[in-house]
Amino acid sequence: QVKLQQSGAELVKPGASVKLSCKTSGYTFSTSYMSWFKQIPGQSIEWIGMIYAGDGGTGYNQKFKGKATLTVDTSSSTAYMDLSSLTTEDSAVYFCATGAITIAAIWGQGVMVTVSS
Amino acid sequence: DIQMTQSPSVLSASVGDRVTLNCKASQNINKYLNWYQQKLGEAPKLLIYNTNNLQTGIPSRFSGSGSGTDYTLTISSLQPEDVATYFCFQHNSWPGTFGAGTKLELK
Repeated sequence: QVKLQQSGAELVKPGASVKLSCKTSGYTFSTSYMSWFKQIPGQSIEWIGMIYAGDGGTGYNQKFKGKATLTVDTSSSTAYMDLSSLTTEDSAVYFCATGAITIAAIWGQGVMVTVSS
Repeated sequence: DIQMTQSPSVLSASVGDRVTLNCKASQNINKYLNWYQQKLGEAPKLLIYNTNNLQTGIPSRFSGSGSGTDYTLTISSLQPEDVATYFCFQHNSWPGTFGAGTKLELK
């Protein structure tokens, strides 16, 4: 069964960077797409971007270009998202999600990132 | 970006009621519309994909319909475990965009 296990909560200082991970199992990671999403608690969801694990090709929501960098490690079936130059506006829950039948069919549990001095 | 407008923002209904949630896109999205259920503190769960396809394991009381710019999620007989926020999501145009959500409560 498809599973996405995300790394633990992060508390980071303004201006710093953080790398989030999404470890997958139960499907062929190397020929799949992984999307990342942002959700401020109590608000809606934003699509950050998507990466194809086969060749590392990426597509980003213009809003997150320069903020997020998506990568994969096919040897460990893990996807990563780097968030840089963090501000309080980056405090949110971040989800990874994948799917064969449609974008974002299966989601990770989410990881809370808190940016605070 | 395509704007997705959900209505109502809050819906109160009783167990057993037929419930209809609406989602309107700012332009034609060619039925590339998914519905997600999100319970408090959890990740979104896919219910319906591409307007009317029921995700595996989702109860048949959930159904979707629509075309063009107007889409609907229907729960035929509301159950207590359906209390959640429901989001629509268009993936016809880049970037995909979500509605603001409909919070479904029990009356």
